[in-house]
Amino acid sequence: DAGVTQSPTHLIKTRGQQVTLRCSPKSGHDTVSWYQQALGQGPQFIFQYYEEEERQRGNFPDRFSGHQFPNYSSELNVNALLLGDSALYLCASSLGGDFDEQFFGPGTRLTVL
Amino acid sequence: AQKVTQAQTEISVVEKEDVTLDCVYETRDTTYYLFWYKQPPSGELVFLIRRNSFDEQNEISGRYSWNFQKSTSSFNFTITASQVVDSAVYFCALYLPGGNTGKLIFGQGTTLQVKP
Repeated sequence: DAGVTQSPTHLIKTRGQQVTLRCSPKSGHDTVSWYQQALGQGPQFIFQYYEEEERQRGNFPDRFSGHQFPNYSSELNVNALLLGDSALYLCASSLGGDFDEQFFGPGTRLTVL
Repeated sequence: AQKVTQAQTEISVVEKEDVTLDCVYETRDTTYYLFWYKQPPSGELVFLIRRNSFDEQNEISGRYSWNFQKSTSSFNFTITASQVVDSAVYFCALYLPGGNTGKLIFGQGTTLQVKP
């Protein structure tokens, strides 16, 4: 039973570029949440996708957008990258649009130069 | 405002010592959930426990125990007889359900180092 997977593992971009991160939820899960974790900080909730729609959103600018596909996998897109976007991006999956018992992936480490 | 505070940034203990990680939360909601997660060096957050605001019973799971006190808005986590494998960053989190406004709020984390 595959857990949550994320790709790529690491990514280096320059300011102003755009990036796409990918997440496949745990088998049987239909909800994907994305988090940004800056070095030495706790994860910050970006948004949640359920039934292919953005269901909830944290305090992140419109440069952060996402998508959920019919197979429940999800993408996180960040446009016009800033140095401050450097962080570990975590994906978590759960069932039924809930935050209960989220399973987290290993994350994608994004470095913006 | 909703907030989670983990005042201990780093804790270092010697193996077999008991250690308590503190968590204080703030919310005016009467219905909420509290979580503890462990983040080992690999980066993947591991779920440890969930508690809802109506259940103040303390819980013990092996060497882990949790003390939930609504009167002090605290949800502390104790590891008994710590082991080197317990070394990780531990996060306390608060979940406020509520349709389109539900959100999960994490504390800053406590780095626990268990030395052999």
